[in-house]
Amino acid sequence: KNQVEQSPQSLIILEGKNCTLQCNYTVSPFSNLRWYKQDTGRGPVSLTIMTFSENTKSNGRYTATLDADTKQSSLHITASQLSDSASYICVVRGNYGQNFVFGPGTRLSVLP
Amino acid sequence: EAGVAQSPRYKIIEKRQSVAFWCNPISGHATLYWYQQILGQGPKLLIQFQNNGVVDDSQLPKDRFSAERLKGVDSTLKIQPAKLEDSAVYLCASSPGHGGTGELFFGEGSRLTVL
Repeated sequence: KNQVEQSPQSLIILEGKNCTLQCNYTVSPFSNLRWYKQDTGRGPVSLTIMTFSENTKSNGRYTATLDADTKQSSLHITASQLSDSASYICVVRGNYGQNFVFGPGTRLSVLP
Repeated sequence: EAGVAQSPRYKIIEKRQSVAFWCNPISGHATLYWYQQILGQGPKLLIQFQNNGVVDDSQLPKDRFSAERLKGVDSTLKIQPAKLEDSAVYLCASSPGHGGTGELFFGEGSRLTVL
């Protein structure tokens, strides 16, 4: 069964600190993996998208990594800001136009 | 470029009442999705349209949920009669096509509370 797991479930850090969120998936065959940021009461917004051949992709203070062999991805946030407080959702898509498989998300709280 | 529009943003109803949500996708996007997101969970696909045809509705509770996408543009999602467990955010998303990277663009969601 195609699944996406994320850890930790929730995380609290102080402003300015770094953090790393994890995503493990069993979706096969694999097409691409995305990280979305969802602010409270808003719809998810795409941060990065990674295909099979990509290992690292950055978007400002967000850096995503992908290991397609172990089926793991991470999202690293550098020098966190209060506005980074949100849920971060890992989404994996299989090949041949398969639908998106969503993880449960990691709830990040950045405190001053 | 306008994003995905949804309405209403919030709705409170009593159980056994009915409710309808509306979605207008990004212009030109052929694929439209409705997701249900329960608090603390990731979105769960309810139905996927490709133009005005249904691609996947395997997880849509068809005894109470219905959706349509007339003319392949706007879409409505209806719940009748609502149950307490239907309390959730209903997200609409659109995508340019069925293949490729298939970037998903989400609306702000419609939050439903069933009392």
